Amino acid sequence: GESVGLHLPTLSVQEGDNSIINCAYSNSASDYFIWYKQESGKGPQFIIDIRSNMDKRQGQRVTVLLNKTVKHLSLQIAATQPGDSAVYFCAENGGATNKLIFGTGTLLAVQP
Amino acid sequence: ETGVTQTPRHLVMGMTNKKSLKCEQHLGHNAMYWYKQSAKKPLELMFVYSLEERVENNSVPSRFSPECPNSSHLFLHLHTLQPEDSALYLCASSLEAGAWGQETQYFGPGTRLLVL
Repeated sequence: GESVGLHLPTLSVQEGDNSIINCAYSNSASDYFIWYKQESGKGPQFIIDIRSNMDKRQGQRVTVLLNKTVKHLSLQIAATQPGDSAVYFCAENGGATNKLIFGTGTLLAVQP
Repeated sequence: ETGVTQTPRHLVMGMTNKKSLKCEQHLGHNAMYWYKQSAKKPLELMFVYSLEERVENNSVPSRFSPECPNSSHLFLHLHTLQPEDSALYLCASSLEAGAWGQETQYFGPGTRLLVL
């Protein structure tokens, strides 16, 4: 069945280090992927997205990499800050359906 | 602020109560969504509305009843809920539903529901 999963449920990093959060997806028809950040007590917040015609997309301090060969997505956060502490979700569109399919999330804990 | 608001933010209700959750989006979007978020589980899509018409009903029990009177407002009417329905209920909106390039969803802060 369709699934989006994360390799590491919890990631602990030192402030200032780079963080890499990984995500595996299983639906080959997915052509749109999103990363969301969810802080405690808040709804998911859009961070960055990427379409299947790209391998890499950069935002402010964040980079998303897409490897369609192995169905793998990653989010890189440069110079991680305490404010980056949150749960990060990846989502795929399952091939332009009405649905976004979400993973279970990775908790990023930034140590000062 | 994402432009999607939800009220109430917290709700405690008994199993015999009837309550409603409200969502409002100020983004000019045409599609709205209800999700359920339980601990340690992926977000579960419940309903999708596109141009006020329900286009997805993800096998949700009838004790949850959605209503979309216009493209800016979405309600979730609750009655005779069970304790296992306790969760964070999230509303989201997007430009369109399932349309390539317009499907990015923006979420509200959620309503934390506790059913006793």
